[in-house]
Amino acid sequence: SQKIEQNSEALNIQEGKTATLTCNYTNYSPAYLQWYRQDPGRGPVFLLLIRENEKEKRKERLKVTFDTTLKQSLFHITASQPADSATYLCALVSSGSARQLTFGSGTQLTVLP
Amino acid sequence: DTAVSQTPKYLVTQMGNDKSIKCEQNLGHDTMYWYKQDSKKFLKIMFSYNNKELIINETVPNRFSPKSPDKAHLNLHINSLELGDSAVYFCASSLRGQGGNTGELFFGEGSRLTVL
Repeated sequence: SQKIEQNSEALNIQEGKTATLTCNYTNYSPAYLQWYRQDPGRGPVFLLLIRENEKEKRKERLKVTFDTTLKQSLFHITASQPADSATYLCALVSSGSARQLTFGSGTQLTVLP
Repeated sequence: DTAVSQTPKYLVTQMGNDKSIKCEQNLGHDTMYWYKQDSKKFLKIMFSYNNKELIINETVPNRFSPKSPDKAHLNLHINSLELGDSAVYFCASSLRGQGGNTGELFFGEGSRLTVL
C-alpha cells in the first residue's frame, strides 16, 4: 500500500543549528513533492515545491532535496530560530491520473532558544 | 483580504444533528478541496472539485455531501453527525495546471467540529 512517512513526530534542536526533517514514501511515483508549515490552530502554508527531475531547491534559509531512487525528501532549515517552531508536512502529488496531493503525518519542530 | 475563508471556525453539536461548513476563495482558483485533520494531525483528503465538478471523492460516508454552487465556493454538509466526525476540517484551493498537475494549495484556517 502507499505510504508517506515523516521521520519523527517531534524534533527539538538548539537555536542556530540546522534542522533536518525526513519524508520517505513507498509505492508512489510522485510527479512532485511539496512542503508545508502548520502552526497550532492554523491551516497549512505552502513553503516549497520540488519536481521529480530536480535534485535540490532553495528558498532563503530553506533547502529541499528529492531523491527518487531512495524515495526520500529532506527538508533543511539552516540557522534555525524559535519562530521556525511549527509542524512541517510533506505532501506528494502522484503521477497517476488523479493528481491529488497526499500528506504525510508531519513532524513537530521545536527550536529552543 | 482572506484568500480562503471558511465558517464557522468552531462548531459544537450533538450526535445525530446535521451541520454545514461553508468555504469561499477569492484567488480565482479552479479547484477546491475538503481535508479532514484528525487528533493525530493526519491530513486526509475527502473531496476535490474542479470548476464545480467532483473529481476526487475519497472513501467517506455518504453522510458527507459537498456542494459547489460556483467555482469560488465549496460547502460541506454533514448529516447524522457521529462522535468520530469530531476533527478539524480544512478547505483549500489551487490552480489545476497542464496535465492536471496540482499546484500549491492555499488552506483556510480550519473549522473545528466537536460532536458530543
